[in-house]
Amino acid sequence: EIVLTQSPGTLSLSPGERATLSCRASQSVSSSYLAWYQQKPGQAPRLLIYGASSRATGIPDRFSGSGSGTDFTLTISRLEPEDFAVYSCQQYGSSPYTFGQGTKLEIK
Amino acid sequence: EVQLVESGGGLVQPGGSLRLSCAASGFTFSGYWMSWVRQAPGKGLEWVANIKQDGSEFSYVDSVRGRFTISRDNAKNSLHLQMNSLRAEDTAVYYCVREKVVTISSYFDYWGQGALVTVSS
Repeated sequence: EIVLTQSPGTLSLSPGERATLSCRASQSVSSSYLAWYQQKPGQAPRLLIYGASSRATGIPDRFSGSGSGTDFTLTISRLEPEDFAVYSCQQYGSSPYTFGQGTKLEIK
Repeated sequence: EVQLVESGGGLVQPGGSLRLSCAASGFTFSGYWMSWVRQAPGKGLEWVANIKQDGSEFSYVDSVRGRFTISRDNAKNSLHLQMNSLRAEDTAVYYCVREKVVTISSYFDYWGQGALVTVSS
């Protein structure tokens, strides 16, 4: 199975700053089948990005995804107060689908 | 509006059984693969199982294969997860999730609010 490792574990930033989150796969993710999800406490995950770089419906353009192969990045260009949450990557290119352990984005 | 509402969670003893259900609305349920994804307390997400639109194909993560059974009733727009021989490590919030197919694979585009399953004596 493909293991996804996210870094950093916790990222402390201020509103208005730029956030860069990393997701590294143990083997190549086929066809860039990589998604990113946002999860707030007590809530279900919400799809942000699929296909490594396509924004889901209703997701603001300050969220962007990039990467291919084994290295992927989620960038939030200018942090809004509502962006502080846990972000998880997921690969759906091979079974079993697997998730990273998550990056907690907290207010500095 | 797509809605997925889980039910059936609760406290069960080790070795016991529980059946989760998910009521789907706001979309053509029979047209989508569906999955269960779980999240242990304070941990990351783990895909558990999925099932094809007509119920003819399904897959499981190794840790639940042989103990859990996924099924669906397209006439009632419902998804189920029968969980037997439950262990403490099955304790988690279980999410009902819709899969969005892209060529030969799919990502998770809508999630329910989750049902808590606690396995403890």
